[in-house]
Amino acid sequence: EAGVTQFPSHSVIEKGQTVTLRCDPISGHDNLYWYRRVMGKEIKFLLHFVKESKQDESGMPNNRFLAERTGGTYSTLKVQPAELEDSGVYFCASSPGSAAATLRGQYFGPGTRLTVT
Amino acid sequence: GQQLNQSPQSMFIQEGEDVSMNCTSSSIFNTWLWYKQEPGEGPVLLIALYKAGELTSNGRLTAQFGITRKDSFLNISASIPSDVGIYFCAGLRASYDKVIFGPGTSLSVIP
Repeated sequence: EAGVTQFPSHSVIEKGQTVTLRCDPISGHDNLYWYRRVMGKEIKFLLHFVKESKQDESGMPNNRFLAERTGGTYSTLKVQPAELEDSGVYFCASSPGSAAATLRGQYFGPGTRLTVT
Repeated sequence: GQQLNQSPQSMFIQEGEDVSMNCTSSSIFNTWLWYKQEPGEGPVLLIALYKAGELTSNGRLTAQFGITRKDSFLNISASIPSDVGIYFCAGLRASYDKVIFGPGTSLSVIP
């Protein structure tokens, strides 16, 4: 079974540009989460999809961030326009639809390292 | 918001030594998780704890869910070089909820 995949693995952009990150969850996982780790700090929650619906977007920093999950499969996270403080590693995670399975933890992708210069 | 504290922040140990790291929270969690992250990879779940007082092992790893539900520890016995990485404690209040991560403990093992 393939794990959570993310693309690209690295992205270097200039301040003011737009970047789109993609996440492919484990097949069949209804829950998809985005997290971010800014240099040296803890991994912080951004938002949670259940299928194609946004369940919780309380962690989104501001309206420069837009996440979508059309069709309930892969998800994209767009940052427009990017600012210096957006640099960090963006992780995607997924978990199955059952409560019991979710309690066993979420499966994380390798992350996208975003550098805004 | 909820915050987790981990100690120590970093550790440098000799191969073969035992390791202990702690995590405390200002609020209660119903599930405690321990993840390990290696360079270029995402966090990988090591151990999940579901009940206060629960002690769980996974090979050389042992973790406990504190009785107050506000703390947890992770022990690694007889460390080996491949134990190198960042260890994150994390909490879940309920199923489907977001995972709250601690800042991590960076472990280096000297052969």
